Amino acid sequence: GAVVSQHPSRVICKSGTSVKIECRSLDFQATTMFWYRQFPKQSLMLMATSNEGSKATYEQGVEKDKFLINHASLTLSTLTVTSAHPEDSSFYICSAIAGLSTDTQYFGPGTRLTVL
Amino acid sequence: DAKTTQPPSMDCAEGRAANLPCNHSTISGNEYVYWYRQIHSQGPQYIIHGLKNNETNEMASLIITEDRKSSTLILPHATLRDTAVYYCIVSRYAGGTSYGKLTFGQGTILTVHP
Repeated sequence: GAVVSQHPSRVICKSGTSVKIECRSLDFQATTMFWYRQFPKQSLMLMATSNEGSKATYEQGVEKDKFLINHASLTLSTLTVTSAHPEDSSFYICSAIAGLSTDTQYFGPGTRLTVL
Repeated sequence: DAKTTQPPSMDCAEGRAANLPCNHSTISGNEYVYWYRQIHSQGPQYIIHGLKNNETNEMASLIITEDRKSSTLILPHATLRDTAVYYCIVSRYAGGTSYGKLTFGQGTILTVHP
């Protein structure tokens, strides 16, 4: 149980275009999902917290207009990187909390974004 | 949330127990100890968590000292597939629809060799 998927697993795009990444909880409902970013040889950095039906909460230094997050249902959150630039190339990982009586986060497999 | 300190790297022979230490001397009473691992180019995998009692599941055991200032993750019979970065994270359980953030440090690179 507690499986989280992401799509796509890998994406290459041109500078200036927008890219959407989906995060789905497959066998549970997730009221809260999280988006992380990981640059090469670095640890995960939390970007934002996504609650179903409400606006996302962004960490300090993360541009909310650039990284659009939508959590429209209890099993789906999307991250859209708008007007992507090469410096946005990174490994994007989502996680979800399974249930209300736990804070354990289960992570997706990640999406490798390369902006040319 | 309290900070954690882990050794940057450790080695372990296949089939032997891997004992990964973590110091969290500033942990407060309502903070849990979580362990995750990340195999190269994958998302982190949840291993185990605990508050003050020792915990065991199918993957590992978690030993927390009585003063809760340190803990040890034990992989009883390490295999080559256990080679990964292991993260020890202290997080406040907020309960209900709130949450405790996970702050990832650099973790311990565990290398299991034949």
